[in-house]
Amino acid sequence: DAGVTQSPTHLIKTRGQQVTLRCSPKSGHDTVSWYQQALGQGPQFIFQYYEEEERQRGNFPDRFSGHQFPNYSSELNVNALLLGDSALYLCASSTGQGANSPLHFGNGTRLTVT
Amino acid sequence: QKEVEQDPGPLSVPEGAIVSLNCTYSNSAFQYFMWYRQYSRKGPELLMYTYSSGNKEDGRFTAQVDKSSKYISLFIRDSQPSDSATYLCAMARNQGGKLIFGQGTELSVKP
Repeated sequence: DAGVTQSPTHLIKTRGQQVTLRCSPKSGHDTVSWYQQALGQGPQFIFQYYEEEERQRGNFPDRFSGHQFPNYSSELNVNALLLGDSALYLCASSTGQGANSPLHFGNGTRLTVT
Repeated sequence: QKEVEQDPGPLSVPEGAIVSLNCTYSNSAFQYFMWYRQYSRKGPELLMYTYSSGNKEDGRFTAQVDKSSKYISLFIRDSQPSDSATYLCAMARNQGGKLIFGQGTELSVKP
């Protein structure tokens, strides 16, 4: 049973560039959430997608956007990268809205902005 | 003030010790409480998931939630070197809602 898979595992970008991160949820899951984890900190919620729509959003600027596809996979896009965007980006999946389904995380994409 | 406070450690214990990890929180609306374990260069792995107050046990792990004190704990019995990791507490107001994480406590279990 494949868990949550993310690609790429590592990425180096230059300030001002744009980046796209990808996530495939765990088999049977239809809801995808994205989190940002800075070094030495706990993950912070970016947004959640269900039925191809953004359902919840954390305190992140509009430079952060996302998309969910009909097969439940998801992308996270970050425009106009800043040095402070360097972090581990985690994708998590679960089932439905309001279901008793805890999040299962992937191993993340390590983004470095230089 | 952060919604969830967790001592970052590091915490170092000898093999076989009982480990106690704790978080406090300020938002009384939290109803769902979780503990995740995160190894270096890996994503968080769910250890315990509880609703409202009470205790839950799974093998060597016991989670306790005291909503009246806004305090949650994770106990690890007979700790092993393989338990060395960062432990994250997390909370949510509703099922499927966003999680609010603590900073994480780095644990090292020495052989």
